[in-house]
Amino acid sequence: KAGVTQTPRYLIKTRGQQVTLSCSPISGHRSVSWYQQTPGQGLQFLFEYFSETQRNKGNFPGRFSGRQFSNSRSEMNVSTLELGDSALYLCASSLGTGILYEQYFGPGTRLTVT
Amino acid sequence: AQKITQTQPGMFVQEKEAVTLDCTYDTSDQSYGLFWYKQPSSGEMIFLIYQGSYDEQNATEGRYSLNFQKARKSANLVISASQLGDSAMYFCAMREVSNYQLIWGAGTKLIIKP
Repeated sequence: KAGVTQTPRYLIKTRGQQVTLSCSPISGHRSVSWYQQTPGQGLQFLFEYFSETQRNKGNFPGRFSGRQFSNSRSEMNVSTLELGDSALYLCASSLGTGILYEQYFGPGTRLTVT
Repeated sequence: AQKITQTQPGMFVQEKEAVTLDCTYDTSDQSYGLFWYKQPSSGEMIFLIYQGSYDEQNATEGRYSLNFQKARKSANLVISASQLGDSAMYFCAMREVSNYQLIWGAGTKLIIKP
């Protein structure tokens, strides 16, 4: 079974631009979560989608948004990029949402904002 | 207050020795899940082991076991017979029934010496 895939793997953008990251979950998984990882802040939860509905949202500004499609694929969008948005963005999928479900991660998208 | 505390920023362990990575957590929920992940230098987050708050037995997965002490709110990861490939960052994480987002510790960098 194919794992979680994320595209692109690397991205360089300029301040003020916007970016869209894509995540394809493991087949059969209906929950997709997004995380931001930086050396200073560690791993922080962005949001979780289940069956096309946002179920949970972390403490990030409205510039960060996401969506999930009917095939469970998810996209994350960051508008008006800031230097502090440079990070590794990780997507994870799971069968369901809740405390019982382990999440499986993709390789991440490394975003650099200049 | 920190919800997940990993007190060991880094550890050096001799190959083939057992290693214990510490994790303490803070929650007022009765139902929660505890997870350990491994992140090699490649960046991908790899799920290792899960323990539910109502599980009476300690979880085991191959060389990994979770030493769960509920009263002490501790969920230490034990790796038996360490291998060079175990060198990586290790993260403890928790999901509460009141808040499904995965909350992460700061991680422990484990280096296995030959």
